[in-house]
Amino acid sequence: NAGVMQNPRHLVRRRGQEARLRCSPMKGHSHVYWYRQLPEEGLKFMVYLQKENIIDESGMPKERFSAEFPKEGPSILRIQQVVRGDSAAYFCASTDVGGGNTIYFGEGSWLTVV
Amino acid sequence: GENVEQHPSTLSVQEGDSAVIKCTYSDSASNYFPWYKQELGKGPQLIIDIRSNVGEKKDQRIAVTLNKTAKHFSLHITETQPEDSAVYFCAASGDGGTSYGKLTFGQGTILTVHP
Repeated sequence: NAGVMQNPRHLVRRRGQEARLRCSPMKGHSHVYWYRQLPEEGLKFMVYLQKENIIDESGMPKERFSAEFPKEGPSILRIQQVVRGDSAAYFCASTDVGGGNTIYFGEGSWLTVV
Repeated sequence: GENVEQHPSTLSVQEGDSAVIKCTYSDSASNYFPWYKQELGKGPQLIIDIRSNVGEKKDQRIAVTLNKTAKHFSLHITETQPEDSAVYFCAASGDGGTSYGKLTFGQGTILTVHP
Protein backbone atom coordinates (compact mmCIF):
# COMPACT_ATOMS: atom_id res chain seq x y z
CA ASN A 1 0.00 0.00 0.00
CA ALA A 2 2.00 2.92 -1.31
CA GLY A 3 1.88 6.09 0.72
CA VAL A 4 1.92 9.65 -0.52
CA MET A 5 4.59 9.85 -3.21
CA GLN A 6 6.49 13.02 -3.93
CA ASN A 7 9.13 13.79 -6.51
CA PRO A 8 11.68 15.00 -6.91
CA ARG A 9 12.96 14.55 -3.38
CA HIS A 10 15.64 17.19 -3.91
CA LEU A 11 15.66 19.98 -6.45
CA VAL A 12 18.19 22.72 -7.06
CA ARG A 13 17.19 25.75 -9.09
CA ARG A 14 18.91 29.00 -9.95
CA ARG A 15 17.16 32.24 -9.18
CA GLY A 16 14.59 33.01 -11.86
CA GLN A 17 14.02 29.41 -12.92
CA GLU A 18 10.84 27.41 -12.45
CA ALA A 19 10.32 24.58 -9.97
CA ARG A 20 7.72 21.87 -10.42
CA LEU A 21 6.95 19.54 -7.56
CA ARG A 22 4.75 16.49 -8.02
CA CYS A 23 2.57 14.57 -5.62
CA SER A 24 0.64 11.35 -6.02
CA PRO A 25 -1.80 10.87 -3.12
CA MET A 26 -2.38 7.60 -1.37
CA LYS A 27 -4.52 5.18 -3.32
CA GLY A 28 -8.17 6.07 -2.93
CA HIS A 29 -7.48 9.56 -1.60
CA SER A 30 -9.13 12.45 -3.40
CA HIS A 31 -8.04 15.36 -1.18
CA VAL A 32 -4.55 16.79 -1.56
CA TYR A 33 -2.82 19.45 0.51
CA TRP A 34 0.49 21.23 0.10
CA TYR A 35 2.47 22.52 3.06
CA ARG A 36 5.75 24.42 3.24
CA GLN A 37 8.35 24.08 5.96
CA LEU A 38 11.01 26.72 6.21
CA PRO A 39 14.27 25.78 7.98
CA GLU A 40 13.70 25.09 11.69
CA GLU A 41 10.03 26.02 11.51
CA GLY A 42 6.72 24.20 11.58
CA LEU A 43 4.66 23.36 8.55
CA LYS A 44 2.45 26.03 7.04
CA PHE A 45 -0.63 25.26 4.97
CA MET A 46 -0.50 26.44 1.38
CA VAL A 47 -3.35 24.96 -0.65
CA TYR A 48 -6.09 22.34 -0.56
CA LEU A 49 -7.21 20.66 -3.78
CA GLN A 50 -9.60 18.04 -4.96
CA LYS A 51 -9.63 16.62 -8.46
CA GLU A 52 -9.78 19.54 -10.90
CA ASN A 53 -10.71 21.99 -8.13
CA ILE A 54 -8.86 24.34 -5.81
CA ILE A 55 -10.80 24.32 -2.57
CA ASP A 56 -8.70 26.65 -0.43
CA GLU A 57 -5.59 28.53 -1.51
CA SER A 58 -5.48 30.95 1.40
CA GLY A 59 -1.90 29.97 2.26
CA MET A 60 -0.45 30.43 -1.20
CA PRO A 61 1.73 33.45 -1.91
CA LYS A 62 -0.15 35.80 -4.25
CA GLU A 63 2.41 35.67 -7.01
CA ARG A 64 4.58 33.03 -8.68
CA PHE A 65 2.94 30.06 -6.94
CA SER A 66 0.24 27.87 -8.45
CA ALA A 67 -1.15 24.40 -7.87
CA GLU A 68 -3.28 21.95 -9.74
CA PHE A 69 -4.71 18.47 -9.32
CA PRO A 70 -5.86 17.29 -12.74
CA LYS A 71 -8.36 14.56 -13.43
CA GLU A 72 -5.51 12.28 -14.42
CA GLY A 73 -2.02 12.34 -12.97
CA PRO A 74 -0.36 13.82 -9.93
CA SER A 75 -0.92 17.12 -8.22
CA ILE A 76 1.63 19.76 -9.24
CA LEU A 77 2.96 22.68 -7.20
CA ARG A 78 4.58 25.16 -9.54
CA ILE A 79 6.86 27.99 -8.47
CA GLN A 80 7.83 30.44 -11.16
CA GLN A 81 10.89 32.72 -11.09
CA VAL A 82 12.18 31.22 -7.87
CA VAL A 83 13.98 33.37 -5.31
CA ARG A 84 16.27 32.35 -2.44
CA GLY A 85 13.41 32.73 0.04
CA ASP A 86 11.57 29.88 -1.71
CA SER A 87 14.20 27.44 -0.44
CA ALA A 88 12.25 25.11 1.82
CA ALA A 89 10.80 21.63 2.17
CA TYR A 90 7.46 21.24 0.43
CA PHE A 91 5.22 18.50 1.74
CA CYS A 92 2.18 16.99 0.15
CA ALA A 93 -0.52 15.31 2.21
CA SER A 94 -3.67 13.43 1.36
CA THR A 95 -6.84 12.12 2.91
CA ASP A 96 -10.08 10.62 1.71
CA VAL A 97 -13.66 11.66 2.19
CA GLY A 98 -14.36 8.91 4.68
CA GLY A 99 -11.01 9.19 6.42
CA GLY A 100 -12.27 11.34 9.23
CA ASN A 101 -9.53 13.91 8.74
CA THR A 102 -6.64 11.47 9.13
CA ILE A 103 -4.00 13.10 6.99
CA TYR A 104 -0.91 11.35 5.69
CA PHE A 105 2.20 13.15 4.53
CA GLY A 106 4.73 12.36 1.88
CA GLU A 107 8.48 12.47 2.43
CA GLY A 108 8.76 15.96 0.98
CA SER A 109 10.56 17.77 -1.80
CA TRP A 110 13.54 19.87 -0.70
CA LEU A 111 13.96 22.91 -2.92
CA THR A 112 17.24 24.81 -2.85
CA VAL A 113 17.51 28.05 -4.79
CA VAL A 114 21.07 29.14 -5.58
CA GLY B 1 -7.80 31.87 11.96
CA GLU B 2 -6.53 29.09 14.16
CA ASN B 3 -3.35 29.56 16.20
CA VAL B 4 -1.53 26.67 17.87
CA GLU B 5 1.12 27.21 20.53
CA GLN B 6 3.44 24.33 21.49
CA HIS B 7 5.74 23.97 24.51
CA PRO B 8 8.49 23.25 25.26
CA SER B 9 10.57 23.95 22.16
CA THR B 10 13.24 21.50 23.34
CA LEU B 11 12.98 18.60 25.74
CA SER B 12 15.81 16.41 26.98
CA VAL B 13 15.11 13.23 28.97
CA GLN B 14 16.91 10.12 30.09
CA GLU B 15 16.00 6.81 28.53
CA GLY B 16 13.10 5.29 30.42
CA ASP B 17 11.73 8.61 31.62
CA SER B 18 8.43 10.11 30.46
CA ALA B 19 8.10 13.07 28.11
CA VAL B 20 5.18 15.48 27.95
CA ILE B 21 4.54 18.06 25.24
CA LYS B 22 1.69 20.55 25.50
CA CYS B 23 -0.27 22.53 22.95
CA THR B 24 -2.97 25.15 23.14
CA TYR B 25 -5.27 26.24 20.34
CA SER B 26 -7.45 29.27 19.80
CA ASP B 27 -10.35 28.21 17.57
CA SER B 28 -13.13 26.50 19.49
CA ALA B 29 -14.40 25.06 16.19
CA SER B 30 -11.32 22.85 15.87
CA ASN B 31 -12.17 19.23 16.53
CA TYR B 32 -9.28 17.14 15.23
CA PHE B 33 -5.86 17.09 16.90
CA PRO B 34 -3.09 14.94 15.44
CA TRP B 35 0.51 14.56 16.58
CA TYR B 36 3.33 14.01 14.12
CA LYS B 37 6.90 12.83 14.55
CA GLN B 38 9.44 14.15 12.09
CA GLU B 39 12.94 12.76 11.72
CA LEU B 40 15.69 14.64 9.95
CA GLY B 41 15.14 14.79 6.20
CA LYS B 42 11.81 13.00 6.35
CA GLY B 43 8.14 13.84 6.24
CA PRO B 44 5.86 14.09 9.27
CA GLN B 45 4.68 10.70 10.46
CA LEU B 46 1.32 10.50 12.21
CA ILE B 47 1.80 8.88 15.62
CA ILE B 48 -1.55 9.47 17.29
CA ASP B 49 -4.62 11.65 16.89
CA ILE B 50 -7.69 12.55 18.89
CA ARG B 51 -11.07 13.96 18.05
CA SER B 52 -13.11 16.33 20.15
CA ASN B 53 -15.61 13.74 21.29
CA VAL B 54 -12.86 11.90 23.18
CA GLY B 55 -10.88 13.09 26.19
CA GLU B 56 -8.01 10.64 26.08
CA LYS B 57 -6.51 8.10 23.71
CA LYS B 58 -3.67 5.67 24.23
CA ASP B 59 -1.55 3.57 21.90
CA GLN B 60 1.12 1.52 23.68
CA ARG B 61 3.67 4.03 25.05
CA ILE B 62 1.96 7.05 23.56
CA ALA B 63 -1.11 8.84 24.89
CA VAL B 64 -2.88 12.07 24.09
CA THR B 65 -5.26 14.03 26.30
CA LEU B 66 -7.65 16.75 25.24
CA ASN B 67 -9.33 19.44 27.31
CA LYS B 68 -11.80 21.22 25.04
CA THR B 69 -12.90 23.66 27.71
CA ALA B 70 -9.36 24.90 28.26
CA LYS B 71 -8.45 24.40 24.59
CA HIS B 72 -5.33 22.42 25.22
CA PHE B 73 -4.06 18.96 24.40
CA SER B 74 -0.96 17.04 25.40
CA LEU B 75 1.24 14.22 24.17
CA HIS B 76 2.62 11.78 26.71
CA ILE B 77 5.39 9.33 25.88
CA THR B 78 6.28 6.81 28.56
CA GLU B 79 9.40 4.65 28.85
CA THR B 80 11.21 6.77 26.29
CA GLN B 81 13.83 5.19 24.04
CA PRO B 82 16.66 6.78 22.05
CA GLU B 83 14.72 6.12 18.83
CA ASP B 84 11.99 8.43 20.12
CA SER B 85 14.41 11.32 19.54
CA ALA B 86 12.90 13.53 16.82
CA VAL B 87 10.89 16.69 16.32
CA TYR B 88 7.26 16.40 17.42
CA PHE B 89 4.50 18.61 16.07
CA CYS B 90 0.98 19.07 17.30
CA ALA B 91 -1.72 20.31 14.95
CA ALA B 92 -5.39 21.25 14.90
CA SER B 93 -8.07 21.42 12.25
CA GLY B 94 -11.78 21.90 11.88
CA ASP B 95 -14.22 19.75 10.00
CA GLY B 96 -16.28 20.26 6.93
CA GLY B 97 -16.09 22.71 4.10
CA THR B 98 -12.80 24.31 3.28
CA SER B 99 -11.35 23.56 6.71
CA TYR B 100 -11.55 19.81 6.13
CA GLY B 101 -8.06 18.47 6.69
CA LYS B 102 -6.48 21.92 6.82
CA LEU B 103 -3.99 21.65 9.66
CA THR B 104 -2.50 24.43 11.72
CA PHE B 105 0.76 23.25 13.25
CA GLY B 106 2.55 24.13 16.44
CA GLN B 107 6.17 25.26 16.31
CA GLY B 108 7.57 21.83 17.14
CA THR B 109 9.43 20.24 20.06
CA ILE B 110 12.89 18.77 19.66
CA LEU B 111 12.91 15.68 21.88
CA THR B 112 16.27 14.16 22.77
CA VAL B 113 16.37 10.88 24.67
CA HIS B 114 19.77 10.17 26.21
CA PRO B 115 20.81 6.52 26.60
